[in-house]
This record gives sequence, structure tokens and C-alpha cells, in this order.
Amino acid sequence: GDSVTQMEGPVTLSEEAFLTINCTYTATGYPSLFWYVQYPGEGLQLLLKATKADDKGSNKGFEATYRKETTSFHLEKGSVQVSDSAVYFCALTSSNTGNQFYFGTGTSLTVIP
Amino acid sequence: DTEVTQTPKHLVMGMTNKKSLKCEQHMGHRAMYWYKQKAKKPPELMFVYSYEKLSINESVPSRFSPECPNSSLLNLHLHALQPEDSALYLCASSRGLTGTGDEKLFFGSGTQLSVL
Repeated sequence: GDSVTQMEGPVTLSEEAFLTINCTYTATGYPSLFWYVQYPGEGLQLLLKATKADDKGSNKGFEATYRKETTSFHLEKGSVQVSDSAVYFCALTSSNTGNQFYFGTGTSLTVIP
Repeated sequence: DTEVTQTPKHLVMGMTNKKSLKCEQHMGHRAMYWYKQKAKKPPELMFVYSYEKLSINESVPSRFSPECPNSSLLNLHLHALQPEDSALYLCASSRGLTGTGDEKLFFGSGTQLSVL
């Protein structure tokens, strides 16, 4: 079935460092891909999304490009801040997933000053 | 209003108690969801309601009983829970059912449940 695989964490970076969190997907159709972020003690918030190949989602300095040839949707940010410390979940949904979101295992990011 | 509101934020209950979790949204969304999230794990889908009718039950034990009184409200009734049911319970909503390619989930902040 459709699924996403996310890089293992935790990730610790210094402020202003470059961030990449890898996400690859397996799907028989054409899924929509999402990144959600969960700050401590809160629910998940949509960070960005892309619904078709070559789409780039972006928000708050984060970007991810839907790459069909490598089945990837890696999250990047050029300069992280302490306030970016959170858990990041890659997710997909499609007509094959029975109206469900499939979430990756989550990657915990800690940014130190 | 783009919020999903969950109450209470924290709940401690004994194994013989009956309690309810509440979720409310006023975005006109017609699909609502309950997820269970254990620490350091992704959310796991429990139930989906579409147009106030139960659409998906992910083989959840009967000690969890969902209810959707109207299009804005979603409840989760709890009875005779076990300590392993302790988790963060998240409510979410979407404009329509997900899987159509353009839907996104809006999550509440969750209820942190501890079963003693």
C-alpha cells in the first residue's frame, strides 16, 4: 500500500544552519504530499503541501519539491531558528488510501542558539 | 475561524470511569476525525465521520465510542479504559474527505489522557 518513509531523528542543528529532512514515498497512483509540524504540547499544523509532480510547496522559509522520478518530498530550510524546534511529519494521501492520511514516523528537530 | 477546539486539554481517569472528549469546529468542514498519538509516534487514525455519519472505524475497541451530534461537533466517549490507552487524542477536520488530492487536515491541540 501507499506509504511514506522519513529519515530517522533526532536532528540537532545550530541556529542559521541548513536543514534537510528526507522523505520518500511509495504509491501506486498520484498522491498528494504534505509536511506537518508539531510543536511541543500541540496538535499538528500543515506546513506545506504539493499535489502533483514538480510542484514546490513553501511556507515560513521551508520548501519541498514533489519529485516523481526519485519519489521524494524532502523538506529544506536555508537558515533555521530556535523557534523551528519541533517534530516534522511527512504525509501522503491519495484515492488509493481510502480517505486516510498516512504519516511518516516523524523527525524531531532541535535548534540550539 | 480556522480552529479546531478540543476540551479538556488534560484528563486523568481511572479504569472504571466514564468520560468524554469534545471537539468543535466552525469552518463548515464536513469530515471529522479522531486520531490517537503515543509519545514520539505519528498519529494513528481511529474514526472518520463524513456528513455526520461514521465512515471509517479502524478496528478500535468498543471502550471508545465516537459520536457526531452535528456537523460542528465530535465527541469521543470513554469507558473502562486501560492504562495502555494513555495517549494524546487529536481531533481533526477537513472540508471533505481526504484522498481527493487537495484536502488538508486541520488539527486541534489534543487532549492528553492518562489512565490510572
